[in-house]
Parts: sequence; C-alpha cells; structure tokens
Amino acid sequence: AQTVTQSQPEMSVQEAETVTLSCTYDTSESDYYLFWYKQPPSRQMILVIRQEAYKQQNATENRFSVNFQKAAKSFSLKISDSQLGDAAMYFCAYRNRPSGANSKLTFGKGITLSVRP
Amino acid sequence: EAQVTQNPRYLITVTGKKLTVTCSQNMNHEYMSWYRQDPGLGLRQIYYSMNVEVTDKGDVPEGYKVSRKEKRNFPLILESPSPNQTSLYFCASRPTPGQGAREQYFGPGTRLTVT
Repeated sequence: AQTVTQSQPEMSVQEAETVTLSCTYDTSESDYYLFWYKQPPSRQMILVIRQEAYKQQNATENRFSVNFQKAAKSFSLKISDSQLGDAAMYFCAYRNRPSGANSKLTFGKGITLSVRP
Repeated sequence: EAQVTQNPRYLITVTGKKLTVTCSQNMNHEYMSWYRQDPGLGLRQIYYSMNVEVTDKGDVPEGYKVSRKEKRNFPLILESPSPNQTSLYFCASRPTPGQGAREQYFGPGTRLTVT
C-alpha cells in the first residue's frame, strides 16, 4: 500500500518570502501522480499543482513549484512571494496511474501554513 | 458550471439516528468517491464507485453504506451513526481512467457531528 508522509504539522512564512513544504511517499509502483491540495478556512479542497511521475521536469503553476525527486520519493512544494491568501492547510497526495482500478487519492496528514504580514 | 454538490453542509445528529448525505455531480463522471477528514489523519477513502451499480470499499468503510443508482448521484448512508463518525466528509468525482482527466473534483464538504 502507498503511504504519504508530511512530517511538519505547522510552518510559518513572512509575507513576500519563500517557503517549502515537505512531503515523502512510499510506493512500489513506477507510474503515478502526485498532487498538492490547498484547504483554506472554507474547507474547500483546491488543487494547487500536480506532477506525473514519468515526467522529469518539475511542475510549476505561477508562484507554486515542486521539487520532485523520484528516486528519493520526495515531493516538496515551494511557494514563492507568499501572500496572505496562501495561509491554509496543505495536503500532499498520491494516486496510482489509472488502469481500471480505484482512483483513490492517498493523503498525507497535512501541514498548516500561516503567513505573517 | 461543472461542480460536485453535497447536502447538507452541516449536520448535528444523535447516536443511532439514520442519516444520508447526498452527493451529485453534473460532469457525467463515472468514478465517484467518499472521503472523511479527521485532524492529524488527513483524508481517508470510505467508499468508491466505478460506475452505476458498481461500488466497493475504501480504507475505512465500517459504519457506512453507499448506493449508485444513477451516474450523477452517490449518497453516503449512516444507518446508525456513532460519535466516532463525527468528521468532515468530502465527495469527489473524476472521469473514467483513460479519458484524459487527471484530477478529482471535490464537493464543498459536509461537517457532521454525532452526539
């Protein structure tokens, strides 16, 4: 079974600074997807960024980028130019590449990010 | 607008009183799933459905039932709720694997409290 580990329960960053959220995972599969989800106080689950395991290039979405280290099974999220609206809980998630099976997302425990003005 | 809806958004009930949380999606997705979110545990899958009349257990199915009589609806049923089912519940959907989409669409969540 796959597992996702987020070892830091909380982090804080100064507005306009850069912060990196860590995530490691364990799987015996070679083809899969990795995601970062944001959950603001509204509790809505918002997809921030996704990475296909077969792609060597790290995904980027505006101020958000990842550092995907497949051999190390590490998937960190970097938030540049942090904004007050980035304050939320962030979840790292894993999903096997679908082949007719359950498209289950396996989530980490989450990390609460606060942004200091 | 493509969306997943859940009702109710908030529910306080008592132990043993049967309840249903509805989930509906308007994207013609075949795959639907229920998760529960608990502090320090992240989200865990309860049940999923690959298509109409096809459902299966996820990681934490005890105490829950589901049905999938129509493609758009996937209700979560708690026959006899207990306090340990107090949680935040999410419904999610995505197209059939192989149809190109690679993300799941989440509903807004249902906060359930069982006293």
